[in-house]
Amino acid sequence: EVQLVESGGGLVQPGGSLILSCAASGFSFSDYWMSWVRQAPEKGLEWVANIKQDKSEKYYVDSVKGRFVISRDDTSNTVYLQMNDLSAEDTAVYYCTRAGGSNEFDYWGQGTLVSVSS
Amino acid sequence: QSVLTQSPSTSGTPGQRVTISCSGSGSNIGRNTVNWYQQVPGTAPKLLIYNNNQRPTGVPDRFSGSKSGTSASLANSGLQSEDEADYYCAAWDDSVNGYVFGTGTKVTVL
Repeated sequence: EVQLVESGGGLVQPGGSLILSCAASGFSFSDYWMSWVRQAPEKGLEWVANIKQDKSEKYYVDSVKGRFVISRDDTSNTVYLQMNDLSAEDTAVYYCTRAGGSNEFDYWGQGTLVSVSS
Repeated sequence: QSVLTQSPSTSGTPGQRVTISCSGSGSNIGRNTVNWYQQVPGTAPKLLIYNNNQRPTGVPDRFSGSKSGTSASLANSGLQSEDEADYYCAAWDDSVNGYVFGTGTKVTVL
């Protein structure tokens, strides 16, 4: 059974940093692109970043470029999202997703809440 | 910000057919495949349709997807109470080198 379990969310002050982790299991992690998608309170879905199987390609939504870094560790089947210089606009539930062959997000974690507030 | 436009809401009675539209542009829907997601409030989204019209295992066949030019549609041929949820279209956008979601459509079962 495919499982994606996020952790690392919490309350952080504006300008602060946070690292999200996503532990994957039940599939061959090294064979898939992985992504992060977020959802601000009462808002729609927003793709944040993705990373290729061999880490050679990483893409980010414009609003996080230069502040967020996506990475992966295939030895521990974990994908990370390092978030720096956080602002209130980054407050959201962050979902870890697996990307299939048609760029579809076929599996989602349960999400982890990041709240940015003083 | 969303570059795929959906109508904010639609509704229907049980058994009724409902359709959700998704309007994009040449750099996203016009060049890439469309995926659809269903999100029941308080839960994580779930893949409903991928590659324009393919259903993952376990998705009821009352759901179908189509694409034409720079627009796509999701149809539900027989609305059920458990279909009350938010629905999002999505596609890769070559102009921003990123994945874009639609604005979302709330489906209410009357």
